[in-house]
Amino acid sequence: AQKVTQAQTEISVVEKEDVTLDCVYETRDTTYYLFWYKQPPSGELVFLIRRNSFDEQNEISGRYSWNFQKSTSSFNFTITASQVVDSAVYFCALSSTGTASKLTFGTGTRLQVTL
Amino acid sequence: DAGITQSPRHKVTETGTPVTLRCHQTENHRYMYWYRQDPGHGLRLIHYSYGVKDTDKGEVSDGYSVSRSKTEDFLLTLESATSSQTSVYFCAISESRLAGGEQFFGPGTRLTVL
Repeated sequence: AQKVTQAQTEISVVEKEDVTLDCVYETRDTTYYLFWYKQPPSGELVFLIRRNSFDEQNEISGRYSWNFQKSTSSFNFTITASQVVDSAVYFCALSSTGTASKLTFGTGTRLQVTL
Repeated sequence: DAGITQSPRHKVTETGTPVTLRCHQTENHRYMYWYRQDPGHGLRLIHYSYGVKDTDKGEVSDGYSVSRSKTEDFLLTLESATSSQTSVYFCAISESRLAGGEQFFGPGTRLTVL
């Protein structure tokens, strides 16, 4: 069975602080994909990144960066110099080999960025 | 943005009544999914479809049925709604059959069962 754990339920930071959201996953498959989605207060789900199990390179996109470590089964997400617009719930998700790309989500981390 | 709409966007109903939620896509993607979102649980897969008339159960399928008679429409039915089915329901689509296919989500339907 697959499982995604986001142990941080809620994080509050002051604008311009860096913040890291943790994601730990469990799967028996050797080929799998990890995702991060953002859910702003408006409620929609916004895709942020996809990473496959064979690519452990870290990725940076503007103020966002992702650290994938197979040795610790973690796929952590860092926001540098946070802004109020980053306030949202962030979900980590996992899909493994097989049909239909079914996603297993973590329970989400609510990030509150204040001035 | 992927062309996915959900209807209705909000619904209040009473226990025991049937409810049907509709997901409509204009992307011609083969795969469609229904998830529910609840506090403390994230999103959980209810049912999914891998083609017209081809559907399968997800993690939390009890009390739900689905139908897909056209590529663009995926219906979720609660035959007899219960208060435990109060939730936000999201539809998603994907064009890839392989793990790793990006899923695009609809705007969600907030359902309240009194």
